[in-house]
Amino acid sequence: IVMTQSPATLSVSPGERATFSCRASQSLSTSLAWYQQKPGQAPRFLIYGASTRATGIPARFSGSGSGTEFTLTISSLQSEDFAVYYCQQYSNWPPTFGQGTKVEIK
Amino acid sequence: QVQLVESGGGLVKPGGSLRLSCAASGFTFSDHYMSWIRQAPGKGLEWVSYISDSGTIIHYADSVKGRFTISRDNAKNSLYLQMNSLRAEDTAVYYCARESAWYFNLWGRGTLVTVSS
Repeated sequence: IVMTQSPATLSVSPGERATFSCRASQSLSTSLAWYQQKPGQAPRFLIYGASTRATGIPARFSGSGSGTEFTLTISSLQSEDFAVYYCQQYSNWPPTFGQGTKVEIK
Repeated sequence: QVQLVESGGGLVKPGGSLRLSCAASGFTFSDHYMSWIRQAPGKGLEWVSYISDSGTIIHYADSVKGRFTISRDNAKNSLYLQMNSLRAEDTAVYYCARESAWYFNLWGRGTLVTVSS
């Protein structure tokens, strides 16, 4: 399954809302996860089941969608949220990732 | 502290071999399926290999099948990746990751493998 993320780069001011998308080449139901990666750091697990936040993830992160269209929203960007975000499908083997959306400071 | 720490990366010539290790701590390693995932420079994430909690079920990406071997030692809380016949396109940061129903809920910081003459 091919995962396509858009946009590739999103420029947002601190405190603003950020929304970006992930599209699957076939239906996933809700078998989708999101990860955050900062330079030189391990990816951080954010969301599974398309919308369930992982333990310790702030409520400003929310995921939505099903089937082939998914969205990650950060309601009010904090300085620590500027990073690259990846979606990953786990509906079909092998698990595959999108190419990432970079959220940068505007 | 719950963490995964990879080691063993480095510079190797094409056709060479390398063995990566991943040390787990802070959780019951033997209860979890584990995977290796890689990221080529400036690129996205690519799943490489997976091993079940007991080590009896193993899968590989087509790109590494026949060249890489995943294994684990539950007594040592360690995961391994033996990489043979390395190619330039294997150059990447290699992460070990803990699995839960095919998504990855804990990652290490990674170890860089560079394949170059």
